[in-house]
Amino acid sequence: QVQLQQSGPGLVKPSQTLSLTCAISGDTISTTTASWSWIRQSPSRGLEWLGDTYYRSKWNYDFALSVKSRITISPDTSKNQFSLQLNSVTPEDTAVYYCARLTYGSGLLKYFDHWGQGSLVTVSS
Amino acid sequence: DILMTQSPSSLAASVGDRVTITCRSGQSIRNYLNWYQQKPGKAPKLLIAGASSLQSGVPSRFSGSGSGTEFTLTISSLEPEDFATYYCQQSYSLPVTFGQGTKLEIK
Repeated sequence: QVQLQQSGPGLVKPSQTLSLTCAISGDTISTTTASWSWIRQSPSRGLEWLGDTYYRSKWNYDFALSVKSRITISPDTSKNQFSLQLNSVTPEDTAVYYCARLTYGSGLLKYFDHWGQGSLVTVSS
Repeated sequence: DILMTQSPSSLAASVGDRVTITCRSGQSIRNYLNWYQQKPGKAPKLLIAGASSLQSGVPSRFSGSGSGTEFTLTISSLEPEDFATYYCQQSYSLPVTFGQGTKLEIK
């Protein structure tokens, strides 16, 4: 079955870069029937989708406007994983970060059917 | 961005009760509405996709309905393991957006 395993540091200093990786098993990152997202959750912002990547003849990316200037999502086909980098972090970026698969189902339905275990990232000096 | 609003924000109920959670969208999202259950310290779990399609392995006491801008999640008879936080999420357009959550607590 599909599993997403997250890794990365839990503490990042202000102004530095938050980096997380999501390793995929049971599926292929270059599948054409899903996309791969990063989502975060905090008490102040709730569940917030940050961006995704997906392969449709080429790699494509979508980003939330709130982080568009600071975010990079990188697929790695050799390791079947994707990563998140968020630059210039502030304490407001403190959250639990999740990777998730958005499956493209029948009738153009799309839904997050698999999630990573979550990574608490604290931004503090 | 499409605003998703859930009501109530919290709800106290007893085992065996029937409960309904409502989710409203700021514009029509047809049936591109999903429901998730989240327990403390865990990732959200998909319950219902496309407003009413129960996912494999999800108990039949869960059901969803609605289209356009108003949707409901109903639990027909609460079990102890159902006490959790529930979220709606629209996949009609980017950015995908979530409701603020409904915390279902034991009365």
